[in-house]
Amino acid sequence: EVQLLESGGGLVQPGGSLRLSCAASGFTFSSYSMTWVRQAPGKGLEWVSLVTATGRTTYYAGSVKGRFTISRDNSKNTLFLQMSSLRAEDTAVYYCAKEEGSCGGGCYSLSDYWGQGTLVTVSS
Amino acid sequence: EIVLTQSPGTLSLSPGERATLSCRASQSVTSSYLAWYQQKAGQAPRLLIYAASSRVTGIPDRFSGSGSGTDFTLTITRLEPEDFAVYYCQQYGSSPVSFGQGTKLEIK
Repeated sequence: EVQLLESGGGLVQPGGSLRLSCAASGFTFSSYSMTWVRQAPGKGLEWVSLVTATGRTTYYAGSVKGRFTISRDNSKNTLFLQMSSLRAEDTAVYYCAKEEGSCGGGCYSLSDYWGQGTLVTVSS
Repeated sequence: EIVLTQSPGTLSLSPGERATLSCRASQSVTSSYLAWYQQKAGQAPRLLIYAASSRVTGIPDRFSGSGSGTDFTLTITRLEPEDFAVYYCQQYGSSPVSFGQGTKLEIK
């Protein structure tokens, strides 16, 4: 059974940093791209970032580029999101999600399994 | 960046009725890489449809997707009580990936 468990969320002051983790199990982690998606309270889904299976290629939303860094440790089946220069508008539930895999690397962030999310609150 | 606009914002229907949700893209979606997700309150999104019309294994056949280019539709025939939720479309053919703002399907 595929499981994705996010951790690392919490309250942080504006300008601060936080690192999210996503522990994966139940599938061959190193074979799939992984994605972070966030959802501000009461709002819709916003794609944040994607890392390919090897970790060599990354993609970011314009709203986080230069402030967030996605990475992965395939030896530990773990996905990360390093967030810095945090702003109030970064307040959201952050979900990690697994690539579905049907387009063989020719697409981005089609996600068939999602974690339950971790809440990040940026406030003074 | 491709902007996805979903309509209507809220759809009020009764169980047993047919729901038609629309997703319009600001430019053509590469290879019809358009997906639909369902999200219930307090839960993570659930993938229903990918490649515009392919149903995920285990999703009931009352859910169907159609469309190409810039216009896509999710149809739910014979609404069940568990279908009332928020639905999002997503284009995943180009970066940055984008989601529509969502359609809330509520019980009338």
